[in-house]
Amino acid sequence: DVKVTQSSRYLVKRTGEKVFLECVQDMDHENMFWYRQDPGLGLRLIYFSYDVKMKEKGDIPEGYSVSREKKERFSLILESASTNQTSMYLCASSTRRGVGEKLFFGSGTQLSVL
Amino acid sequence: GQQVMQIPQYQHVQEGEDFTTYCNSSTTLSNIQWYKQRPGGHPVFLIQLVKSGEVKKQKRLTFQFGEAKKNSSLHITATQTTDVGTYFCAGPAGGTSYGKLTFGQGTILTVHP
Repeated sequence: DVKVTQSSRYLVKRTGEKVFLECVQDMDHENMFWYRQDPGLGLRLIYFSYDVKMKEKGDIPEGYSVSREKKERFSLILESASTNQTSMYLCASSTRRGVGEKLFFGSGTQLSVL
Repeated sequence: GQQVMQIPQYQHVQEGEDFTTYCNSSTTLSNIQWYKQRPGGHPVFLIQLVKSGEVKKQKRLTFQFGEAKKNSSLHITATQTTDVGTYFCAGPAGGTSYGKLTFGQGTILTVHP
């Protein structure tokens, strides 16, 4: 069964802390994504990666960076957490074998920045 | 940039009533996908529509893709409490998308027994 695993379900951090959110997929997918979900705003793309060490900015990359050293792992980094980064973070992956491949999502990390 | 708008934002129905959510894109889409997110869960893929005017059915769910490939709808007949959740439409982002999707804001469906 397809699996995207996010390291933490809930996380509480303080303003200014460096935060790492980890995501691992076991499907050998080329594409990986980080979205954040906020009420009334849907899912907004932060960053995505289409190959190891390759990354591109999404729609709201400010305040975030990413790392993809291995194909199965995609990390989201908040360099200095701020309260406006309190949100649900969803990792997803997809294959690149064709246009319009569906996304498989992890269970999400609810991050609270105090 | 590309925008995907979804209405309504909320819908409350009595069990057995029908439900429809609408999705409109600012640009022509090569395909459109629909996802469902149960309360406390994560989005799960439901279906993909590719052809202009396409209609697909999954039991009580009917999905349509507009002739101009800029709009889509999801209709649920005779809702059940298991239909509760948020329904998202999503279309490929412009340019070299690498599977990147732009999501609508979602429609939150509540079903009262």
